[in-house]
Amino acid sequence: KQEVTQIPAALSVPEGENLVLNCSFTDSAIYNLQWFRQDPGKGLTSLLLIQSSQREQTSGRLNASLDKSSGRSTLYIAASQPGDSATYLCAVDDNDMRFGAGTRLTVKP
Amino acid sequence: DAGVIQSPRHEVTEMGQEVTLRCKPISGHNSLFWYRQTMMRGLELLIYFNNNVPIDDSGMPEDRFSAKMPNASFSTLKIQPSEPRDSAVYFCASESAYTGELFFGEGSRPTVL
Repeated sequence: KQEVTQIPAALSVPEGENLVLNCSFTDSAIYNLQWFRQDPGKGLTSLLLIQSSQREQTSGRLNASLDKSSGRSTLYIAASQPGDSATYLCAVDDNDMRFGAGTRLTVKP
Repeated sequence: DAGVIQSPRHEVTEMGQEVTLRCKPISGHNSLFWYRQTMMRGLELLIYFNNNVPIDDSGMPEDRFSAKMPNASFSTLKIQPSEPRDSAVYFCASESAYTGELFFGEGSRPTVL
């Protein structure tokens, strides 16, 4: 059964800092990997989707990479802002969609 | 498109009563997922459907939980009888067949007293 792990569990940074969130998975036979953002009391919003044949995807200040062979993905956030404060989750699609526990990010003004 | 629509958003019920959660996926999406989110266990996959057929229900916690998808535009998750420990956020999500991208509803928050 696929296991998805995210580290760190929580991260606090000053505004303007670049940061990296990590996601690892145990079974590399995946179709895609997706990063989500969740604000308190809200649903999940899709940020980036990386197909298994891709190495990275970019959207604005966000860049996600995928290394299937090592079972790892990173989400890079450039020039962080207080509005980026949220929980970030990664999900791996191997027919099921399995989620990590998330990284709770706080960006301090 | 209005996105994935879930109802009710909030519900308070007495222990032992039936809880019915509803989901309308995005039109054209052929896979639908039900998740439960708690502080202790995070997001747990309960069941998913492909073309209205249940594919994997290994995450359904007990026989008290059941899910159906009678057609491509509607699914229900039922808890009968409900217990206080069932209080959580239940999310429905549908998946684009073309991209594999997953879209979530806003969640249903039953509270069982």
